[in-house]
Amino acid sequence: AQKVTQAQTEISVVEKEDVTLDCVYETRDTTYYLFWYKQPPSGELVFLIRRNSFDEQNEISGRYSWNFQKSTSSFNFTITASQVVDSAVYFCALRAAGSYIPTFGRGTSLIVHP
Amino acid sequence: NAGVTQTPKFRILKIGQSMTLQCTQDMNHNYMYWYRQDPGMGLKLIYYSVGAGITDKGEVPNGYNVSRSTTEDFPLRLELAAPSQTSVYFCASSYDRSSYEQYFGPGTRLTVT
Repeated sequence: AQKVTQAQTEISVVEKEDVTLDCVYETRDTTYYLFWYKQPPSGELVFLIRRNSFDEQNEISGRYSWNFQKSTSSFNFTITASQVVDSAVYFCALRAAGSYIPTFGRGTSLIVHP
Repeated sequence: NAGVTQTPKFRILKIGQSMTLQCTQDMNHNYMYWYRQDPGMGLKLIYYSVGAGITDKGEVPNGYNVSRSTTEDFPLRLELAAPSQTSVYFCASSYDRSSYEQYFGPGTRLTVT
C-alpha cells in the first residue's frame, strides 16, 4: 500500500521568509511519480510539478524548488521569499507507474502574512 | 478555452435523493477523472475514463456511477445520497496518462443532510 505523509498541518510565515513543506512517502513500487499541487482559497487545484522516481535531480522554478531524496523517501518543496499569494493548501501525491490511482497527502496549509 | 467546468457549484441533498454532477472539458483531453475531497484530507479518486465509452473504478467508487458518451463530458451520478457523501467533488482531465498535468475544475460542494 502506498502512503504519503505531510506532517505539517499548518505553517505560518511572514512575507519574504523562506519556507519548506515536507513530504514523505512509502511505496513498494520501483517506478513511481511524485507530484505537488497548490490549492488556493478559490479551491481549484493547480499542478506544480511531477518527478519520476528514476530522476533524482532537484528542480528550481523561480521561487519554487523541490528536493527529491529517494534514500529518505522525501520530496520536499521550498518557497523562497514567500509572498502573500503563496497562501494556499499544498498537496503532495504519489502514483505508481502502472496505476491511474494517486495517493494524496492530507495537505499543508501555508499562511503568508504581509 | 474554458478548461474544465463543473456544475453546480453548491448543492444540498436530502438523504436518499439522487443527483448528477456535470463535468465538461474543452481541451480535447482523452482522460477524465472524478475525485472527492473530504475536510482536512487529500483527494481520493472515485472513477476515471480513458476515452469515450471507457470508464473504470478508482479508489472509492461505491455509491457513484459514471458514463462517458462523448470526449467532452463526464457526469458523475449519485444514487441514494448518504451523509458520508458530503464532500467537495473535483473533476479533472489530462491529455493522456503520461501527461501528468491534470487540469482541475472549480469543484462542487455537496452536503447531504
